[in-house]
Amino acid sequence: DADVTQTPRNRITKTGKRIMLECSQTKGHDRMYWYRQDPGLGLRLIYYSFDVKDINKGEISDGYSVSRQAQAKFSLSLESAIPNQTALYFCATSDWNQETQYFGPGTRLLVL
Amino acid sequence: SQQGEEDPQALSIQEGENATMNCSYKTSINNLQWYRQNSGRGLVHLILIRSNEREKHSGRLRVTLDTSKKSSSLLITASRAADTASYFCATADFMEYGNKLVFGAGTILRVKS
Repeated sequence: DADVTQTPRNRITKTGKRIMLECSQTKGHDRMYWYRQDPGLGLRLIYYSFDVKDINKGEISDGYSVSRQAQAKFSLSLESAIPNQTALYFCATSDWNQETQYFGPGTRLLVL
Repeated sequence: SQQGEEDPQALSIQEGENATMNCSYKTSINNLQWYRQNSGRGLVHLILIRSNEREKHSGRLRVTLDTSKKSSSLLITASRAADTASYFCATADFMEYGNKLVFGAGTILRVKS
């Protein structure tokens, strides 16, 4: 079984809709991250959490919110989706004493 | 803002040849990492080099780091078709509680068989 899972894997939604992307991990890591990937721009950090009570904005947090429901779960919400949020979204985890990150398979989101 | 910038943006080589990708960054770093992404999938960590290291090897991978030039290179020797992927450098922006990674735009490598 995959260590970092994301649901859904693909999603099509309409402008103005609220959607939630979910991430779960079985690695026991404290730290979790949400990134978006756009062609030619690499990955950009949206939000990150170093433990259940810690939430921090990343580089591009506007239009997004997150919830850390448990050590293993970190959800990303788009309160009112817009077309320029069409992208590939990745969740990642790391342990407190590790410098590398472990990525989920990604969620491909299309906002019409 | 992106920290690392990879060069070239795309690279096409024959199987068996070596592939070299470069990464430049702007600020001081704690470490620099390279990740691979197969088409549309999650990133996989390849290798990490710390700011006090100059060269590191892992199998067919060789990474160098020149902190005076703020640059790194990733060399893949004896490439295989399975090496076809996008490669990203990521710099660690050290904070009080740990490292936050900043990714470059990536190099697309195509290995032709």
